[in-house]
Amino acid sequence: DAKTTQPTSMDCAEGRAANLPCNHSTISGNEYVYWYRQIHSQGPQYIIHGLKNNETNEMASLIITEDRKSSTLILPHATLRDTAVYYCIVRALPGGSNYKLTFGKGTLLTVNP
Amino acid sequence: KAGVTQTPRYLIKTRGQQVTLSCSPISGHRSVSWYQQTPGQGLQFLFEYFSETQRNKGNFPGRFSGRQFSNSRSEMNVSTLELGDSALYLCASSLALGSSGRYEQYFGPGTRLTVT
Repeated sequence: DAKTTQPTSMDCAEGRAANLPCNHSTISGNEYVYWYRQIHSQGPQYIIHGLKNNETNEMASLIITEDRKSSTLILPHATLRDTAVYYCIVRALPGGSNYKLTFGKGTLLTVNP
Repeated sequence: KAGVTQTPRYLIKTRGQQVTLSCSPISGHRSVSWYQQTPGQGLQFLFEYFSETQRNKGNFPGRFSGRQFSNSRSEMNVSTLELGDSALYLCASSLALGSSGRYEQYFGPGTRLTVT
């Protein structure tokens, strides 16, 4: 029972920024937003997570709206190796009712040369 | 630091048999979770173990079971295999349960199980 909505697929030109949206309108105050990606035939890979502030790491930036009902994952300079399915997940802290990691269908991002 | 390892990588079984899959977490990680991934259902949570105790469980029948050893290695077992059990089984480890929110999970490559 995924609590997120993502577009099924997106395209991006190599070298351009890829902006992947996610709606999580029923997110609770104690739930974090996590992003993972899965390259074909590999296990999912952690990208980034946040609670309410914007976050940035070496892989991506995460922008969370002020009402926390949606977020955007930004890959600043997409490469061909970024082609993957990107999953947006909301997750509570351990002990919460939605602690376990629940994946939806994700967004297939295709980076084109 | 070595990543999560899973054995075997590929497995073919027939209906009615049972299977045991193994997962070795990243050194120092104490939490291990198992997931089933199929094209139709996507990635579904099976269960999570921490300190040899099952702490969380998904909506799978009792044919699916698991355990964790004192060295944090984990096994999952599926008895009386059905055709629908054909899937990629993924194991993920994380540093701890109950930390501040930084418990991102690191996934292994998975075991591809085919039931014929």
